Amino acid sequence: GAVVSQHPSWVICKSGTSVKIECRSLDFQATTMFWYRQFPKQSLMLMATSNEGSKATYEQGVEKDKFLINHASLTLSTLTVTSAHPEDSSFYICSAPPGNNQPQHFGDGTRLSIL
Amino acid sequence: AQRVTQPEKLLSVFKGAPVELKCNYSYSGSPELFWYVQYSRQRLQLLLRHISRESIKGFTADLNKGETSFHLKKPFAQEEDSAMYYCALSSLYGNNRLAFGKGNQVVVIP
Repeated sequence: GAVVSQHPSWVICKSGTSVKIECRSLDFQATTMFWYRQFPKQSLMLMATSNEGSKATYEQGVEKDKFLINHASLTLSTLTVTSAHPEDSSFYICSAPPGNNQPQHFGDGTRLSIL
Repeated sequence: AQRVTQPEKLLSVFKGAPVELKCNYSYSGSPELFWYVQYSRQRLQLLLRHISRESIKGFTADLNKGETSFHLKKPFAQEEDSAMYYCALSSLYGNNRLAFGKGNQVVVIP
């Protein structure tokens, strides 16, 4: 149980395009989800906390107008990379805890490549 | 601020040899420590959580608050232990925000 699904797993698009990544909790409800970014051979960096029914909480240095987060239901959070540029190319991972004081479960990640 | 340090990037060990991955942390509050593992082409998954005090797949880790460490150990490495290991920290009473170390690539040599 406690599966987190991400879609798409890989996306390639042109510079200037906006890209939406979905994160779904398949068998549990998640009032909170988390979005991470991982550069090659580096660790996961928390970008933002996605809160169901309210605004996301962004980490210092993360542009909220660049990385739009929407958490419209208890099972879905979306991350939209607006007007993407090559420097936005990265591996984006979401996670969610299946309950209070439960450890986070991670999605498979989305490989974003901007040409 | 939460900070997690994993000093070694790559660790190669022979099958049957002991494995120890070091993790030190810096946090002003009450920490909760985790080890996550990522096998080749798989998602990140929880290996150990300090409050559970369990041994998973032969791995153990003890939280040492005096040394601010949460080192991961296994007495006899197996080939299937080859993976990427991340130490992570969150607040024990907080909102689940995780801070990750840079990770250790473990290669077990047959």
